Amino acid sequence: AQSVAQPEDQVNVAEGNPLTVKCTYSVSGNPYLFWYVQYPNRGLQFLLKYITGDNLVKGSYGFEAEFNKSQTSFHLKKPSALVSDSALYFCAVRDINTDKLIFGTGTRLQVFP
Amino acid sequence: GAGVSQSPRYKVAKRGQDVALRCDPISGHVSLFWYQQALGQGPEFLTYFQNEAQLDKSGLPSDRFFAERPEGSVSTLKIQRTQQEDSAVYLCASSRRTSGTETQYFGPGTRLLVL
Repeated sequence: AQSVAQPEDQVNVAEGNPLTVKCTYSVSGNPYLFWYVQYPNRGLQFLLKYITGDNLVKGSYGFEAEFNKSQTSFHLKKPSALVSDSALYFCAVRDINTDKLIFGTGTRLQVFP
Repeated sequence: GAGVSQSPRYKVAKRGQDVALRCDPISGHVSLFWYQQALGQGPEFLTYFQNEAQLDKSGLPSDRFFAERPEGSVSTLKIQRTQQEDSAVYLCASSRRTSGTETQYFGPGTRLLVL
């Protein structure tokens, strides 16, 4: 069965510092991986995805993610955090047998001024 | 351009009532998905349409849940005889076509509270 894991419930970082939100995956075959962000009382906003090719994927709002096949990871990163980045972040993998997304449990990012 | 819209945004129902949740996908999107997000959890798949065909309903938790997309555009998720455990945010997503590489775009969700 395919799955993703987000080992940290919460990540705290000071504004201006780099941030990393971790995600590991378990799939058979080639993984299609996604990151979404959720602000309070809002739906999920797409940030970026890895399908194939370059292991460093660039996305919206200055976010990027690094695909590492040997470590089965897809960590979300940003060089300089903003207070407005504070939100709930979800990693997801596309089920290979269907088109549905399988989500992690989410990581709450708190950026302090 | 217009994104995915859902209505109502909030719904309070008494236990045993029937509810209907509406999703308007992005125009021209072939695929439509429903997910359920319990408090503090990640979204979980409920069902999936390709145009008007319901191709996967394996995530529907019981036969009280029913979804349709009769004309391949707007979709309705219906919950009959609501129970307290149905309280959650129901998210709708659409994608341009059926492909594992396509991005799913989500609506704002409907927050359902069953009393």
